[in-house]
Amino acid sequence: DAGITQSPRHKVTETGTPVTLRCHQTENHRYMYWYRQDPGHGLRLIHYSYGVKDTDKGEVSDGYSVSRSKTEDFLLTLESATSSQTSVYFCAIRGSGTQETQYFGPGTRLLVL
Amino acid sequence: QKEVEQNSGPLSVPEGAIASLNCTYSDRVSQSFFWYRQYSGKSPELIMSIYSNGDKEDGRFTAQLNKASQYVSLLIRDSQPSDSATYLCAVNISGGSYIPTFGRGTSLIVHP
Repeated sequence: DAGITQSPRHKVTETGTPVTLRCHQTENHRYMYWYRQDPGHGLRLIHYSYGVKDTDKGEVSDGYSVSRSKTEDFLLTLESATSSQTSVYFCAIRGSGTQETQYFGPGTRLLVL
Repeated sequence: QKEVEQNSGPLSVPEGAIASLNCTYSDRVSQSFFWYRQYSGKSPELIMSIYSNGDKEDGRFTAQLNKASQYVSLLIRDSQPSDSATYLCAVNISGGSYIPTFGRGTSLIVHP
């Protein structure tokens, strides 16, 4: 358990509304990531952060923004939700030390109607 | 563009058999290789990492890496029904920002 929580765990929203997902970690890791997982596509990186206020885009960043104002929290915002953003969203952290491994949060299931 | 390929399966094996899962990657400078297990409705969990050519064993799991042929495999000995899951391969270039590339996963079914 890498001390990662995500909230909410499930959400149903309507097209056009903004949605914010939260990832919280308790172990002061520098790197945090947001992925989405869809059938047939596997895990795809949306955005990642390498420190407070330091973020960068992944391969599927359109329609998403992120913020990291403190080490423990990484927020993912869907600016105007669309049905194509219905997915399972996973937050991950990069483990400490020389092992370059990722540990994932429990995920958020988002349904956009 | 970095690519990681896995057979989507499902791979079906009887209980007690050896399950062999394979992964190929396109980027020759890849240095770090990982296998994750993901149960249905759950998040991926790391089960093996390997960095050097050859075999690495951990309990019933063995990861095999062949950089010359650009493949990494996972063997599961004495497969159990509880091993039924999707197995994700991830590949990374060491150093700098850690941005691994994931395969789409192989579904494994172990039947009694």
